[in-house]
This record gives sequence, structure tokens and C-alpha cells, in this order.
Amino acid sequence: SYELTQPSSVSVSPGQTASITCSGDKVEDKYVYWYQQKPGQSPVLVIYQDTKRPSAIPERFSGSNSGNTATLTISGAQPTDEADFFCQAWDSENGVFGGGTKLTVL
Amino acid sequence: EVQLLESGGGLVQPGGSLRLSCAASGFTFRSHWMNWVRQGPGKGLEWVASIKQDGSETYYADSVKGRFTISRDNAENSLILQMNSLRGDDTAIFYCARGTRGFLIATDGFDLWGQGTLVTVSS
Repeated sequence: SYELTQPSSVSVSPGQTASITCSGDKVEDKYVYWYQQKPGQSPVLVIYQDTKRPSAIPERFSGSNSGNTATLTISGAQPTDEADFFCQAWDSENGVFGGGTKLTVL
Repeated sequence: EVQLLESGGGLVQPGGSLRLSCAASGFTFRSHWMNWVRQGPGKGLEWVASIKQDGSETYYADSVKGRFTISRDNAENSLILQMNSLRGDDTAIFYCARGTRGFLIATDGFDLWGQGTLVTVSS
């Protein structure tokens, strides 16, 4: 079965750029989606179809997908961005999530 | 207001059954694929099941195949997950999530989530 691998944690200083990777075999052939989940809350879609951003999501969130790695980039990270982030793709008709990355902003 | 509202969670003994519901409002429910996603305590997200707009296609994670059944009632704007033969590792928050309006499920992600309902499987 298809697998997506994320680092368990990423740390960034406020105002700096955070990059969270999502690795999978030829992941560039699939659309990748990114979700942010804050403690006690439901996940929120922050990037869809690799690079697109829902209208309610700040411009500092961006995505890319090439080769075996998709990347979520947060430019100018804010303390409010601290959360768990999950990547997701479809393997045929089966949904696949990465294990999640805890982003710490301090 | 556009929202999904899950219900039906609770405590159940191993081997038991539970039926989860998700009430959709504020959007054209029948136009979207719908999904269930779960999250075990302190764990990541796990896709559980998906159903096409008209209910003609359903897909399941291997971990629940043969035990769980996803269905929908477009007249009532509701999504159902019937869970049988429950096990301890089914303990999780179960989220209802909206999928694509497209013909193929893999054309989009989950753009709307409910607040979740907690299922605890324990004796």
C-alpha cells in the first residue's frame, strides 16, 4: 500500500520560514493536500491540489510537489501557526495520510 | 451556515456495534463525495471510508473492510457509518468530511470537517 512519510516535528522561530516535507514514491504524480490541526480542533484544509490555497488561508502558506517530495512552506511563521500538519493523497480510491508533523513556533 | 454535525458516538464493548450519523447543512449535499476519517487518541489521521454522490460507489480502508458500512440519504442530507465487530483499536474520534464534487474521488481533498464524535471500544 502507498505510504506518505513526514518528519515528526519541525521548529521555527517567529517570522522565519518553515518547511514541512511529505515523501512518497513518485508523489509528484498525485495531488497532495495539507491539513492543519490545532489542539482540540478539527483539521482544516490549508493547501489543495499541491499548490492551491483556500480563500480563507493566509498567503504565507504555500505548497509544492516534485519528484518524491511534496512540501508545505510557511513564510514568516506566526505563533498562531503552531499546530499539527498532515499531508494526504489518493492511492486510486483509497485515502492516505502522512503521519503528521508537529510545528513549533518559538 | 455550512457545516457537518456528527452524532452517535459512545462507549461500546468489543464485538459490539455502533451507528454514526453526520448531518449536513448549508450546501448541496448530494453533489459531493462524502467521507469518514478517524483519529485515535494521540495519533494521526486515518481515512476510513468514502461514498460517491449517488451512493453507487463505496471504498474502505483495509482495517475496516467487512466490518464497517458507509451509506447516505441525500433526501435527508445525512451520512451514516455502521460499525460492527468493533475492536479496541477502533477507539477514535470519527470525523465526517466533505469531498469533491467531481466524478472521480481523487480530484480533491477534504474541504469541510465536522467536529467529530468519540467512539470508545472497551469492556
